[in-house]
Amino acid sequence: DAGITQSPRHKVTETGTPVTLRCHQTENHRYMYWYRQDPGHGLRLIHYSYGVKDTDKGEVSDGYSVSRSKTEDFLLTLESATSSQTSVYFCAISEKSGSKNEQFFGPGTRLTVL
Amino acid sequence: EDQVTQSPEALRLQEGESSSLNCSYTVSGLRGLFWYRQDPGKGPEFLFTLYSAGEEKEKERLKATLTKKESFLHITAPKPEDSATYLCAVYNAGNNRKLIWGLGTSLAVNP
Repeated sequence: DAGITQSPRHKVTETGTPVTLRCHQTENHRYMYWYRQDPGHGLRLIHYSYGVKDTDKGEVSDGYSVSRSKTEDFLLTLESATSSQTSVYFCAISEKSGSKNEQFFGPGTRLTVL
Repeated sequence: EDQVTQSPEALRLQEGESSSLNCSYTVSGLRGLFWYRQDPGKGPEFLFTLYSAGEEKEKERLKATLTKKESFLHITAPKPEDSATYLCAVYNAGNNRKLIWGLGTSLAVNP
């Protein structure tokens, strides 16, 4: 299995509070991704990183920010959590981009915003 | 609009009963099609990448095929441990590192 961990694995928080999710990899892959998965929507890309301090938006980036200060860590922050951000969040990594973009996923974080 | 559609949404099979899952796509300039397996409460697990029409890949009881409009994941003599959701995703020339995901097919194999 690819060495990807996510923390926390479960979190319950209240509307309006900040939340940070962490993704840590031991594979030294260049590319890292944050997705959310919701029934009826499938996997949707929030943000991705193509190197240290290099990030870009995905299709559902509003309300989320990311940071990558080291190759192995990619943080996802919800500045002020809302109930619509209740979801399962997955981090993924890939060694290459483009058509060789085989992504390997972490175990996920289940976030509930009350 | 680029789109990936998987069918059926759910499939229930008896152990040993072979079948196929479908992933149809409407994208311009397909560069790669990916199959993943996802077990409940876990992240997707990579299975195959297909790049061009006519290509086939196999892994145990699974075989993935690709045409110009769709991909099939054939499951031969499935076992209960093959029960999972199977996801399809495509990468096209215009999406630059972003995959377009289908909603998946939930497969249940009864003993």
